[in-house]
Amino acid sequence: AIQMTQSPSSLAASVGDRVTITCRASRGVRDDLGWYQQKPGKAPRLLIYAASTLQSGVPSRFSGSGSGTEFTLTISSLQPDDFAIYYCLQDYDYPWTFGQGTKVEMK
Amino acid sequence: EVQLVESGGGLVQPGGSLRLSCAASGLSVSANYMTWVRQAPGKGLEWVSVIFSGGTTYYADSVKGRFTISRDISKNTLYLQMHSLRAEDTAMYYCARDTYYLQTGSYHTFDIWGQGTLVSVS
Repeated sequence: AIQMTQSPSSLAASVGDRVTITCRASRGVRDDLGWYQQKPGKAPRLLIYAASTLQSGVPSRFSGSGSGTEFTLTISSLQPDDFAIYYCLQDYDYPWTFGQGTKVEMK
Repeated sequence: EVQLVESGGGLVQPGGSLRLSCAASGLSVSANYMTWVRQAPGKGLEWVSVIFSGGTTYYADSVKGRFTISRDISKNTLYLQMHSLRAEDTAMYYCARDTYYLQTGSYHTFDIWGQGTLVSVS
């Protein structure tokens, strides 16, 4: 199975900060990569698919980039609603696999 | 309103069986790809299974041979039949719609989620 490794596992940031999360695949997944946000006690929410396509309704401060084995999720200006855990997911090959998650906490 | 509502979770002994349901409204489980994702307490997300609109199914290695995904068109409901349950199957189980895009590549997007149902194996 393809392993997805996110870094960092957690980070502390302030409102207004630029935040970047990295996801690395153990082998190439083209651009078959999505990003999800999860808040405590809630189901995940789709943010980005195809590595860089913003899901409808998601604020434009979220962006994604990358292809192959290295991907990034960037929040251009962190807002109070953005403190959450973020997961990448590869849907290139079965079994689909999530990264272990990155917790974005308030500094 | 498009909605997915899971049910069927509960406490079961190791080696036991359980069937989870995911009732859909505002969307057709037969016309969409549908997936199950689970999350052990305090842990990350784990993809479990998917069923395509044509009926093709795929499973995570950890559940292959023990879990079966299916759907009932008349009830517009997705199911996950779980057998030979283990302690490590303890998790919140979410169903989600998998909207499939075929563009320059093929992309699976879990865009609508239920609230989850908790399975405890002990």
